[in-house]
Amino acid sequence: DSGVTQTPKHLITATGQRVTLRCSPRSGDLSVYWYQQSLDQGLQFLIQYYNGEERAKGNILERFSAQQFPDLHSELNLSSLELGDSALYFCASSVEMDTLNTEAFFGQGTRLTVV
Amino acid sequence: GQQLNQSPQSMFIQEGEDVSMNCTSSSIFNTWLWYKQDPGEGPVLLIALYKAGELTSNGRLTAQFGITRKDSFLNISASIPSDVGIYFCAGQRRPSGTYKYIFGTGTRLKVLA
Repeated sequence: DSGVTQTPKHLITATGQRVTLRCSPRSGDLSVYWYQQSLDQGLQFLIQYYNGEERAKGNILERFSAQQFPDLHSELNLSSLELGDSALYFCASSVEMDTLNTEAFFGQGTRLTVV
Repeated sequence: GQQLNQSPQSMFIQEGEDVSMNCTSSSIFNTWLWYKQDPGEGPVLLIALYKAGELTSNGRLTAQFGITRKDSFLNISASIPSDVGIYFCAGQRRPSGTYKYIFGTGTRLKVLA
């Protein structure tokens, strides 16, 4: 158990709909990362939040947005869903301090299926 | 999206054989991480490397941080069936204010008993 919790584990929804994926980071971790993994593909970085603020952005579509709340949990919102958005969505967390090396720990992922 | 070059893409090996895979980049990284992902699961951290030239072991796994800081290597000795999975490398560099991790394309390992 990595300590990173993602809900729900599975989600099936129709095209055009909107969904919210939730991530609770490890206790003490300030940074949350979201990744998308399509079938048999690698991990594509979407976005990073640190202590409530957006820190880095990857190839995240405009239809997607995220936020990190004061309790440090994060939500990834996916709207106007298309069939191609079907994928595994992973959240990872890490402690980030300028003077320390850090490691990212992943949740179990949310499998999104758009039908 | 940006990804590191990882090779081989996939490999079939016999149980008991040693396995080597590597990850290369055109950019310098401060940290290299190696993960294993089982089907339908999240990646699990295997080894973290922090200094150029560093060699670190975790059981039958050994990883090295390349001297140029642009590559990393993972070796698995005496492979067993449960080594099956996808192995990802990840590099981290710290441009001011961000600690973004960039992942390799993955090496799919299949072990034949």
